[in-house]
Amino acid sequence: EAGVAQSPRYKIIEKRQSVAFWCNPISGHATLYWYQQILGQGPKLLIQFQNNGVVDDSQLPKDRFSAERLKGVDSTLKIQPAKLEDSAVYLCASSPGSLGTGELFFGEGSRLTVL
Amino acid sequence: AQSVAQPEDQVNVAEGNPLTVKCTYSVSGNPYLFWYVQYPNRGLQFLLKYITGDNLVKGSYGFEAEFNKSQTSFHLKKPSALVSDSALYFCAVRAPMDSNYQLIWGAGTKLIIKP
Repeated sequence: EAGVAQSPRYKIIEKRQSVAFWCNPISGHATLYWYQQILGQGPKLLIQFQNNGVVDDSQLPKDRFSAERLKGVDSTLKIQPAKLEDSAVYLCASSPGSLGTGELFFGEGSRLTVL
Repeated sequence: AQSVAQPEDQVNVAEGNPLTVKCTYSVSGNPYLFWYVQYPNRGLQFLLKYITGDNLVKGSYGFEAEFNKSQTSFHLKKPSALVSDSALYFCAVRAPMDSNYQLIWGAGTKLIIKP
């Protein structure tokens, strides 16, 4: 079974530029999460999708971050314009949702450096 | 408020010795409990979970964890540590009544195994 795919693995941009990250979850997983993980800290949930609907985006900085999951499968997270404090690893995870017992399956992450 | 605590930022253990990484939680009801491991520059990998049943659960790479309801703890253990166990470990909890299936994360514990 293929795991969660994320790209790019690494991205370096200057502040005020834009960046987009892509995620393809495990086939059949209805729930998709985007997390932000700053070095040395635990993951912070940015947004959660159930199929193509948003379940929770309460911690997403909506003035600069956006995310979509148009067909209920893969998802894109965008940052525009980027700030220095956005330097972090952006983790995508998926789960079967109500069909599972709660464990999440993570991709390898996309490391963003904002200069 | 629901929370997860990992009281130790770092745990140092000599190779071959037993290891324990501590986790306590504050969640209403009977929680679902998880441990994840993160190797450098990698995503989070699921190690083990407790849903119900036997308080001692076994997981990947020889790890196990003991659920203690009275102490609201879910400590991760391994009888004999390997240098390759050196990584960042995260405890996570799902409240049973959370219909969004979200995890509450601890801050992580860095485990260092010395040869």
